[in-house]
Amino acid sequence: ILNVEQSPQSLHVQEGDSTNFTCSFPSSNFYALHWYRWETAKSPEALFVMTLNGDEKKKGRISATLNTKEGYSYLYIKGSQPEDSATYLCAFYNTNAGKSTFGDGTTLTVKP
Amino acid sequence: GAGVSQSPRYKVAKRGQDVALRCDPISGHVSLFWYQQALGQGPEFLTYFQNEAQLDKSGLPSDRFFAERPEGSVSTLKIQRTQQEDSAVYLCASSFVNTGELFFGEGSRLTVL
Repeated sequence: ILNVEQSPQSLHVQEGDSTNFTCSFPSSNFYALHWYRWETAKSPEALFVMTLNGDEKKKGRISATLNTKEGYSYLYIKGSQPEDSATYLCAFYNTNAGKSTFGDGTTLTVKP
Repeated sequence: GAGVSQSPRYKVAKRGQDVALRCDPISGHVSLFWYQQALGQGPEFLTYFQNEAQLDKSGLPSDRFFAERPEGSVSTLKIQRTQQEDSAVYLCASSFVNTGELFFGEGSRLTVL
């Protein structure tokens, strides 16, 4: 059974705070790690596709890092805004199985 | 539209009823996935198709669950004799082969009374 763990489960921050959360995954048979953002009443959308150890990706105020040897990825949000409020999911993609295994997500609430 | 379309968005069923959930993937996406998301949890894999072939159905929780994609495009997830524990959001996603990145629909929220 493949275990993908995310922490914390939920996070409440003030507007302007910076925050980060963690995704841990098996370090063997790594192929890709995906981050998704899921806003209420919308569909989950891909933020980052990460494939190489040491990868760092950035989109505006959001960035992510990847360590495949130790099996973790961090997602950082700089200067959180209320519109960042969402559930952030990470997914471990196993190319042999052809499918993704998701963590339970981190729900971020940013208060104005 | 250009995205993944799911219907119905909301479904309330009485225990014991059969339900059918439809997914229309992005045109040209070969792979199609169904996930079940219970409250407070992440999406759990149910089944996936490559074109019309169902390559993995290991996540279907019981033989009451059945999925098909007869022409390699639209897919239907059918749940027979629904139970309360079937209440969840059912997410459909499609992807290009071998990239892993999923394009999701908005989900079908099933409530079984």
